[in-house]
Amino acid sequence: RKEVEQDPGPFNVPEGATVAFNCTYSNSASQSFFWYRQDCRKEPKLLMSVYSSGNEDGRFTAQLNRASQYISLLIRDSKLSDSATYLCVVNMLGGGNKLTFGTGTQLKVEL
Amino acid sequence: SAVISQKPSRDICQRGTSLTIQCQVDSQVTMMFWYRQQPGQSLTLIATANQGSEATYESGFVIDKFPISRPNLTFSTLTVSNMSPEDSSIYLCSVELADSRETQYFGPGTRLLVL
Repeated sequence: RKEVEQDPGPFNVPEGATVAFNCTYSNSASQSFFWYRQDCRKEPKLLMSVYSSGNEDGRFTAQLNRASQYISLLIRDSKLSDSATYLCVVNMLGGGNKLTFGTGTQLKVEL
Repeated sequence: SAVISQKPSRDICQRGTSLTIQCQVDSQVTMMFWYRQQPGQSLTLIATANQGSEATYESGFVIDKFPISRPNLTFSTLTVSNMSPEDSSIYLCSVELADSRETQYFGPGTRLLVL
């Protein structure tokens, strides 16, 4: 079983749609969780951290369910510029702050 | 965040040669890391670059193949030694900033093609 699993997609959605990505992780000792965005031929960029209570940043909402070892990202009112690959990332503290990356979910927002 | 630069941004190399990639940061950092992203795949951690001492390598990566230096807090190099076509990849450095622990920021990457 992969340490971090994501549906690779692609998710093709019309502009203005709401889309949700899910991610599961295998190590219950994981401490920190993130969503990164990676555009084609670019480096990953931090989108948002994920907290147990859930957190929101504009059109983006992230949720963490520790019991189910599950992380989600919700994008509302999607824009063409949201088209990218979204990487679920888990940090296991005590392991040298090592980040473990999912393979990413590709999103394509269309007119 | 911080400005992270990598040199070269890309290179095409012959098999059997070596390439050294530089990573420079303009802010105080606590930790520096090197990752590899092979075509169509996600990122894999190669090693943690430790200032003034040997890097800490992940399973599957060894110092002879990927020697790393970190002479000071804001600069590190990764060498890809005795290259083969299987080493064709994007190599990225990342940093953890002193004022933003647990979060890593990535350099723009070095695209390497080995012929």
